[in-house]
Amino acid sequence: AQKVTQAQTEISVVEKEDVTLDCVYETRDTTYYLFWYKQPPSGELVFLIRRNSFDEQNEISGRYSWNFQKSTSSFNFTITASQVVDSAVYFCALRIYNQGGKLIFGQGTELSVKP
Amino acid sequence: GAGVSQSPSNKVTEKGKDVELRCDPISGHTALYWYRQSLGQGLEFLIYFQGNSAPDKSGLPSDRFSAERTGGSVSTLTIQRTQQEDSAVYLCASSLTATTAADTQYFGPGTRLTVL
Repeated sequence: AQKVTQAQTEISVVEKEDVTLDCVYETRDTTYYLFWYKQPPSGELVFLIRRNSFDEQNEISGRYSWNFQKSTSSFNFTITASQVVDSAVYFCALRIYNQGGKLIFGQGTELSVKP
Repeated sequence: GAGVSQSPSNKVTEKGKDVELRCDPISGHTALYWYRQSLGQGLEFLIYFQGNSAPDKSGLPSDRFSAERTGGSVSTLTIQRTQQEDSAVYLCASSLTATTAADTQYFGPGTRLTVL
């Protein structure tokens, strides 16, 4: 069975702190894709990143960075110098190559950045 | 260009009534998905359509739920004889394709359904 676990339900930080959101996934398949989405208070899910299982290169986009480690089945997300606008619920998701297009989501991590 | 749109944004209905939720995908996207977000269950896949292929209905929770996609574009999710446990936010997403590198799903704002 496939599963995504985001063990951190809620995280609270003060502005300018760095914060890492954990994502651990389970699958026996060798080809899969991992995603992160942001859901701000407005409610709309916003796509952040897509990574395939054959590409373990870490990625940096501005203050955002992602660390993909197949050895530990983890795809963690770090926000550097957090800002109040980063406050949102963040979801990690998994798609299996031969199982169509559906995404399997983790339970989400609610990040609160206080000024 | 325009993103995924959904209507209505909010729907309040009485237990036992039928409801229809609408989704307009991004123009040119061949794949369309429905998910449900509720407090107890998180984000759950319901159904997806890819071009003219038979839809993947594996996530529909009961036979009270159905969906169709007309002309490869607009989709309607229908819930018959609504129950209180159907109360949730219903999210629609679309992607260029479902099974290639162009599979990133872009989500609409959702329809909040409340069953009294």
